Amino acid sequence: AQTVTQSQPEMSVQEAETVTLSCTYDTSENNYYLFWYKQPPSRQMILVIRQEAYKQQNATENRFSVNFQKAAKSFSLKISDSQLGDTAMYFCAFMKRPGNYGQNFVFGPGTRLSVLP
Amino acid sequence: EAGVAQSPRYKIIEKRQSVAFWCNPISGHATLYWYQQILGQGPKLLIQFQNNGVVDDSQLPKDRFSAERLKGVDSTLKIQPAKLEDSAVYLCASSSSQGASGYTFGSGTRLTVV
Repeated sequence: AQTVTQSQPEMSVQEAETVTLSCTYDTSENNYYLFWYKQPPSRQMILVIRQEAYKQQNATENRFSVNFQKAAKSFSLKISDSQLGDTAMYFCAFMKRPGNYGQNFVFGPGTRLSVLP
Repeated sequence: EAGVAQSPRYKIIEKRQSVAFWCNPISGHATLYWYQQILGQGPKLLIQFQNNGVVDDSQLPKDRFSAERLKGVDSTLKIQPAKLEDSAVYLCASSSSQGASGYTFGSGTRLTVV
């Protein structure tokens, strides 16, 4: 079974600075997808960024980028120029393969990020 | 496009009572999921539908939880009777049949059992 670990339960960063959230996972699969989701106090899970394991290039979405290390099974999220609106829980998630049934989408326990003014 | 709609947003019930949650997924999304998120934890899959059929309910406590997705669109999740440990946020999500773009989540229902 796949597992996702986020070793930082809580983090804080000053507004406009950069922060990196860690995620590691365990799988025997070769092709899979990784995601970072943001959950603000409104509770809605919002997709931040996704990475396909067969792509070596790290995904980037505006101020959000990832450092994907497939051999190390590591998938960290870097937030540049942090904004107050980035304050939220951040969940790392793993998907075995599209269309697969069952426990296909596994979440980590989350990291609570606070952006300080 | 409209997002995943869920209701109610909050619900407080006494233990042993019953409760139902409703979800309307994104139009055209064949796959619908119900997740349970206990405070301080990541979401855990309860049940997955493909159209109107159940494809995985291995994590669903079937002695008290039930779910249906009539006509392959809306879905309801029911708990009867509720226990204190059922207090959680219940999230509904949907995806196209492949899901490689990730899932789209609703805002969830926060259930408190007292």
